[in-house]
Formats: sequence, C-alpha cells, structure tokens
Amino acid sequence: QQPVQSPQAVILREGEDAVINCSSSKALYSVHWYRQKHGEAPVFLMILLKGGEQKGHEKISASFNEKKQQSSLYLTASQLSYSGTYFCGTEGGSNYKLTFGKGTLLTVNP
Amino acid sequence: DVKVTQSSRYLVKRTGEKVFLECVQDMDHENMFWYRQDPGLGLRLIYFSYDVKMKEKGDIPEGYSVSREKKERFSLILESASTNQTSMYLCASSPRLGGYNEQFFGPGTRLTVL
Repeated sequence: QQPVQSPQAVILREGEDAVINCSSSKALYSVHWYRQKHGEAPVFLMILLKGGEQKGHEKISASFNEKKQQSSLYLTASQLSYSGTYFCGTEGGSNYKLTFGKGTLLTVNP
Repeated sequence: DVKVTQSSRYLVKRTGEKVFLECVQDMDHENMFWYRQDPGLGLRLIYFSYDVKMKEKGDIPEGYSVSREKKERFSLILESASTNQTSMYLCASSPRLGGYNEQFFGPGTRLTVL
C-alpha cells in the first residue's frame, strides 16, 4: 500500500520554509526521499533508517518517527532550485523494495 | 559519475506489439528496478532483480516480464502492448541489500501505445 504524502502541493516564496509529510500504515525499516524536476529523473535526497541513522543532503533535513510510521522532510530557506516533485519511498523490511507515495509538488517563486 | 542509461527516451508502438525496454548501469549494482510513472499515481514498482537471473514481482507486474542475463543490464518486456501501458518507464539501480541502498534512476522512456 502506498504511503500517503501531504500536502499534495505547496507554493512558497524564496526563503520560506516547508514541511512535507509521509505516512505509512505498515511498520517501516527505512524511508527514502527523492526529488524530481520536470522532465528529469528522480534524484536521491535522504535515507532515514530505523534506529536513527540517516544519510543525505546537507541543506535538507528529515525526521523519522518509527512508532507512528511517519517521516517529515524539512526544507528551510527555500531556493528556486528546490522546485520539483518530492517523493517518499518506504521500505517495510530489509528487502530493498520501495513503495513510493504519489508525490508533493513544490513550487518556489522569486 | 554513476550512470543508469535507458535505450530510448521516446517510443511509439502499436497495440499487440512486443516491446523491449533496456536499462544498463555502470556501477556494479546488485539491485535493479523497473517502475512506471503516471500523473497523480507516483512511481509504481513493476519488477525488480537482486541478482543475475533473479527477479521478483513488484506491485503491478501484470502484462510485463523481465530479463536479467548480465549484472549491468535489466530488460522490461511487454509481451503484447496495450494502450493502458502508455506511460513513463523508469529504471533504477541500487548498490546493496538494506541499509544505505539509495536508488539511482535512469532518464526514463516515454512509451506511447497506439
């Protein structure tokens, strides 16, 4: 079952902050975050593992609440380059298979 | 630079044709994946492979098959293309099982079935 992302879309002015949420009905082993710009392939941003480890982008942070099966991506002081569709992908066990949400369209305007 | 390449960016086929989509990665990754991406539905996993000649069904395998004869190459086959298979197809690879297994995506193939 696909994780649920919210909001579906958000519009920001440059310099504003945003939070994108990802919620699953299943117990999670890890959560991945990817960004896809229009006409391009998705690009890896972050991985958050059960137990607290994470790896990712230096200017983007995220949290992972294992008990609630939720993750949030925090975009601070947004830049024009942050525009794109953000996907979370959830892994239910250490089996490398991801189930992606439907995406959140982020638009950053000057 | 890591690289995942797909054989075509755009492809137009007729209903009933057999269609091959090819994906090649140069990173010596064990895992490879095929997704389809449709507006409003996100990325949905069709098939994946964790080793040469090994494959597992994803969430929407019906109407598709795959082949992985070499570690670097993963093919998606539409045995008899139908109009509801018109979509963007994305291939990805990842380096290991579990842990920091970020996926690297190819540029995608936009398939139109007439």
